[in-house]
Amino acid sequence: AQRVTQPEKLLSVFKGAPVELKCNYSYSGSPELFWYVQYSRQRLQLLLRHISRESIKGFTADLNKGETSFHLKKPFAQEEDSAMYYCAPPKGANNLFFGTGTRLTVIP
Amino acid sequence: NAGVTQTPKFQVLKTGQSMTLQCAQDMNHEYMSWYRQDPGMGLRLIHYSVGAGITDQGEVPNGYNVSRSTTEDFPLRLLSAAPSQTSVYFCASSRTRSTNEKLFFGSGTQLSVL
Repeated sequence: AQRVTQPEKLLSVFKGAPVELKCNYSYSGSPELFWYVQYSRQRLQLLLRHISRESIKGFTADLNKGETSFHLKKPFAQEEDSAMYYCAPPKGANNLFFGTGTRLTVIP
Repeated sequence: NAGVTQTPKFQVLKTGQSMTLQCAQDMNHEYMSWYRQDPGMGLRLIHYSVGAGITDQGEVPNGYNVSRSTTEDFPLRLLSAAPSQTSVYFCASSRTRSTNEKLFFGSGTQLSVL
C-alpha cells in the first residue's frame, strides 16, 4: 500500500511566521500526492496536488524524491490558515490511507 | 449544484441497531467512496465504487455494506452497530477512477453508537 505519514499532530505558529507541515511517503515508483484541508465547520477540500505544481492561498509543496517528502509550506502564515491538513496518496485499491492529519493553529 | 450530499448529519444508535447513511452526488462522478475519521487515525477507506454495479472493499470494511445501483447514490449500511463504529463518516466522489483526480467530500455524518 502507498502510505503517507504526518509526524506532527499539532502545529502552532505565530501570524506572519513561516509554516511547514511535514508529509513523508513510503512507496516506490512515481508518487502522486495531494494536500487536503478542512477549515472549521467546512468540508474537506483539495488544497493542492503534486501534478499541477500550483500555489494555492500562498501554499506550495515540492516533491523531494530523495527524502521521500511532500512538505506543505507557506512563507507567512495567516490566521485564516488555521485548519486541519491532510496529506494523501492518490486514491485506488492500493491507497487506503490518508495521513493522520496536522492541526495548524496560527496565533494572532 | 449541490455536489456531494450526505444524510443524516448526526445519528445516535444503540448497539445492535442497523441503519443506512445516505450519499448522493449530482456531478455524474464515476468514483465514490466512504471514509471514517477517528481521532489520531486520519481518514480510513471503508468501501469504494468505480461505477454503478461495481464496489470493492477498503481498509476497514467489516460491519459495513455498500451498493451502487445508480451513478448518483452510494449508501453505506451498518448491519449491527457496535460502539467501535462511533466515528465521523465522509462520503467522497471524483470524476473518474483515475488516481490523479481530486476527491470531492460531503459534509460528514457524526455517528454515536451507545
